Order: sequence, then structure tokens, then C-alpha cells
Amino acid sequence: DTEVTQTPKHLVMGMTNKKSLKCEQHMGHRAMYWYKQKAKKPPELMFVYSYEKLSINESVPSRFSPECPNSSLLNLHLHALQPEDSALYLCASSQDRGPSSYEQYFGPGTRLTVT
Amino acid sequence: GQSLEQPSEVTAVEGAIVQINCTYQTSGFYGLSWYQQHDGGAPTFLSYNALDGLEETGRFSSFLSRSDSYGYLLLQELQMKDSASYFCAVNNQGGKLIFGQGTELSVKP
Repeated sequence: DTEVTQTPKHLVMGMTNKKSLKCEQHMGHRAMYWYKQKAKKPPELMFVYSYEKLSINESVPSRFSPECPNSSLLNLHLHALQPEDSALYLCASSQDRGPSSYEQYFGPGTRLTVT
Repeated sequence: GQSLEQPSEVTAVEGAIVQINCTYQTSGFYGLSWYQQHDGGAPTFLSYNALDGLEETGRFSSFLSRSDSYGYLLLQELQMKDSASYFCAVNNQGGKLIFGQGTELSVKP
């Protein structure tokens, strides 16, 4: 199974809402990533988890809060977002964080709209 | 700093060969990856070069010259389904993939 799943596929939320994005993989990968992607732009790294510990936070605003409950699951908690946070949020995984992180498996993404 | 450059758009006809170039500047370089992303889809891994030379995977090949900080993706026997965005990405010692801005390939009949 080389699939990364993400839920929900689409999410519309107001600026005062709290919601969560979920990501799951069963490939035994020990590194998991959150990316944000705007239209016609490359994926932009937000967070990296390695062996369930947060190892990289790319200076992401605190209204985005990641969580890794176990080696297969990754969540992104959203609170008090701004309209400019509307984007495709991609989860990815790789075998680990080191040299083998060149091959990342991406989920289909959650298309988020903040109203 | 770290940067990658690739052309923003390329157009080619079915059956042709197209080359997408990528130049990069980075520290702690491990290798260069290529990803394909169809409209509305997720990026999918195509190829990786850690050492100089050519890697071939079916109709796709990728080349790296570490001394020139340069690589390319070569797509042969183009098909309509190859229309997509192609990203080069540097894999570095920080444990991150740093993506280029992407090249939008349009394949015409």
C-alpha cells in the first residue's frame, strides 16, 4: 500500500472556526510533512515530523498547529485563519528524514477555503 | 541562500521529445528529484539523481551535473497525458525538499 490519505477533500471555514485536517499512511514511513500550495506555485513546506517528533517548523503562524498522534497519523489543527490561508494543504511521507527524503509520497490534499 | 530555476512553460507536440532544465544553488546538496503534478492532483515522484549522469525510467530520463549545479528531465514520445506541471526539487542535508517554481508542459496533438 503506497497510499497517503487525507480528509476532508474540501473544507470551507470561517475565520473564527476551529477545524482539523487529517493524514494517514501505512507504509511504515517515519517522516511526515505538511505543505501548503497556492495555485500555479510549488508546494511550500510547513512542518516536518521525524519519528513522531516535530523536527522542522518553517516559521508557520501559530494559528496552524500540527500533531502526530502515532507513526501513521498526522493532523493539522486550524484556528482563527485568514482568507489568505486558503490553499491546497498537502500531506506527504517518506522513509525517513535524511537522504531518502528525496522520494515523498503525497496525499491528494485538502482544498481549504477561508471565508 | 537556496534557489532553483526552471522555465515556467514549455509546449511540444505528441510524439516529440522535450527537455526541462533546472539549475540550483544550495548548501549541503544530496541530490535532485523530479515530480509531476497534474491539475487538481498531488505531486508524484518521477526520478532522482544523487550522482552525475543519466537515470532512465521508461520514457522519462533525468540527468545531473553536480559540478555545474544543473540537471534536466527528458521526456520522450510525448503523450497528451504528459501535460502537467513538472517540479525539480533539491534534497539537502536539512532533510527538506526545496521545490523549483515548476514548469507547465502543454502537449499538443
